[in-house]
Amino acid sequence: DVKVTQSSRYLVKRTGEKVFLECVQDMDHENMFWYRQDPGLGLRLIYFSYDVKMKEKGDIPEGYSVSREKKERFSLILESASTNQTSMYLCASSSSGQSNYGYTFGSGTRLTVV
Amino acid sequence: DQQVKQNSPSLSVQEGRISILNCDYTNSMFDYFLWYKKYPAEGPTFLISISSIKDKNEDGRFTVFLNKSAKHLSLHIVPSQPGDSAVYFCARSNFGNEKLTFGTGTRLTIIP
Repeated sequence: DVKVTQSSRYLVKRTGEKVFLECVQDMDHENMFWYRQDPGLGLRLIYFSYDVKMKEKGDIPEGYSVSREKKERFSLILESASTNQTSMYLCASSSSGQSNYGYTFGSGTRLTVV
Repeated sequence: DQQVKQNSPSLSVQEGRISILNCDYTNSMFDYFLWYKKYPAEGPTFLISISSIKDKNEDGRFTVFLNKSAKHLSLHIVPSQPGDSAVYFCARSNFGNEKLTFGTGTRLTIIP
């Protein structure tokens, strides 16, 4: 069963900590994405990557960075966590030219910053 | 600015009846429109999509309609079942662009 795996389902971190959210896909997909979901705001794109070592900013990149050293792994980094980064974080992947047929999402990481 | 808007945050429907979820969009050239379903504590799952050259696409109980003159997209679920209770997101992508832009979601509750 193909999947996108996010390393943690729930995380609690303190303000100012550096936080790493990991995502791994086993479908050999070129494209990987990080979204956050907040009530009333839907899913908003943070960063995405079309290839190894490549990254592009999404709609809300401030306070975040990403790393893609291997094709299957896409990491989201919160450089200095703040309470307004408390959210559900969703990783997704897709094959090039196939995004119109839908992404595959991970189960999400619920991050709470206290 | 290419957006999708879901103006109804919630919808309740009796089991067995038709559920209609709506989405409006702006500035379409050649796009795909997609619907996703999301249960709590799970990632969204892809339901159905339609390209902007079509008016309708059907998959089992799910049908998506595209009204290009009104810039309106709708998802029909018939008959509605309790397992359909979830949050539904519409999304769009532009031809040649891998990014999806999502709406704010509609929480559908099916009443037994």
